[in-house]
Amino acid sequence: QVQLQESGPGLVKPSETLSLTCTVSGGSMNSYYWSWIRQPPGKGLEWIGYMYYSGSSNYNPSLKSRVTLSADTSKNQFSLKLSSVTAADTAVYYCARSPSSVWADYWGQGTLVTVSS
Amino acid sequence: QSVLTQPPSVSGAPGQRVTISCTGSSSNIGAGYDVHWYQQLPGTAPKLLIYGNSNRPSGVPDRFSGSKPGTSASLAITGLQAEDEADYYCQSYDRSLRGWVFGGGTKLTVL
Repeated sequence: QVQLQESGPGLVKPSETLSLTCTVSGGSMNSYYWSWIRQPPGKGLEWIGYMYYSGSSNYNPSLKSRVTLSADTSKNQFSLKLSSVTAADTAVYYCARSPSSVWADYWGQGTLVTVSS
Repeated sequence: QSVLTQPPSVSGAPGQRVTISCTGSSSNIGAGYDVHWYQQLPGTAPKLLIYGNSNRPSGVPDRFSGSKPGTSASLAITGLQAEDEADYYCQSYDRSLRGWVFGGGTKLTVL
């Protein structure tokens, strides 16, 4: 059974960079897309972006200038960096596996990141 | 404002059937892109419920079904159970945004 687990700081200061890692267990990263989705407290889901295991990526246009996705398949991990964060970036961040780049079949449990000084 | 439109809430009594609509436009659902549905139980991560408009992943009861007539999609839940009380989200691809779009979510209350 594939499992995903997000990790990273739960508190980030405004203007700094949010960095999260997703560790994949129970399966290989090869041949899949890997996605990040976030959910502000009490609100709906927002797609951040996805990347193919080999490196190509696609980002939400509203976040594209601040987002970088990367992967280390040798460690079965992929990462999210979101720069110049503000309070509006406070959310639960989920990582997910995407079999075909258009939907997500396995999700991590999510990690709450609060942007505050 | 979400790109895909869902009703904020629906409700039904145990055993009843409810449907949740997801309305898009000519740049997403109407352009032929598939619709996928997720169930989010309180305090948990979303779970894939329906993919490719009407396909159920292994383990999802056949009480859940999806359809996609035209520029909208629909999730139907029959034989409502208390454990179905959750938020439900539709998701598709938008060719103008060149990425995923979600509906705003629908809260299902089992009376």
